Amino acid sequence: GAVVSQHPSWVICKSGTSVKIECRSLDFQATTMFWYRQFPKQSLMLMATSNEGSKATYEQGVEKDKFLINHASLTLSTLTVTSAHPEDSSFYICSARDGRKNTEAFFGQGTRLTVV
Amino acid sequence: DAKTTQPPSMDCAEGRAANLPCNHSTISGNEYVYWYRQIHSQGPQYIIHGLKNNETNEMASLIITEDRKSSTLILPHATLRDTAVYYCIVSLVYGGSQGNLIFGKGTKLSVKP
Repeated sequence: GAVVSQHPSWVICKSGTSVKIECRSLDFQATTMFWYRQFPKQSLMLMATSNEGSKATYEQGVEKDKFLINHASLTLSTLTVTSAHPEDSSFYICSARDGRKNTEAFFGQGTRLTVV
Repeated sequence: DAKTTQPPSMDCAEGRAANLPCNHSTISGNEYVYWYRQIHSQGPQYIIHGLKNNETNEMASLIITEDRKSSTLILPHATLRDTAVYYCIVSLVYGGSQGNLIFGKGTKLSVKP
């Protein structure tokens, strides 16, 4: 299947700082990317959907000013957690698909964020 | 909310077939059934998807009932590496912002030696 690379795989940051997570589609053009969050022993929760060149659409309850999403190219989307707090500690996962084709979405390996 | 219902857990003996059921009684005519799995602390891995007909690939088979209200994922010869949480998801597959996957709680499959 297609490859989606997420970086970093883990990060520890201090409370109040910002963290940027990158999601790249390596061998296809990702017209649409999705960002999920997963807390321990829970399922993935969709945070937002972004289409290349457009503003992201956030799910209810997700603060757009706190979780900044940029999808400026067909191969890269970034999620920036601004002013991170310990309760933002979670497993963040991106997925990507080519919306012009009838294909499934492929997932990155996830980023473990720990805010101390 | 997820549109599917799955048993929370299942056990399977190594080498035997694992049959994972999924109910999706409210599925609409243009929604596909997707199966993904998540091994601990990794991103979900695509397994298979289908609309009406049964599907088979190198990983698994997908059996969809005629009324499309339920399906079964079959891993023909389960190995220890198949231990994971398996998610059954119904979703549209079209361009643009559609096609987002809403995850339920899935089935935790434990393959035992």
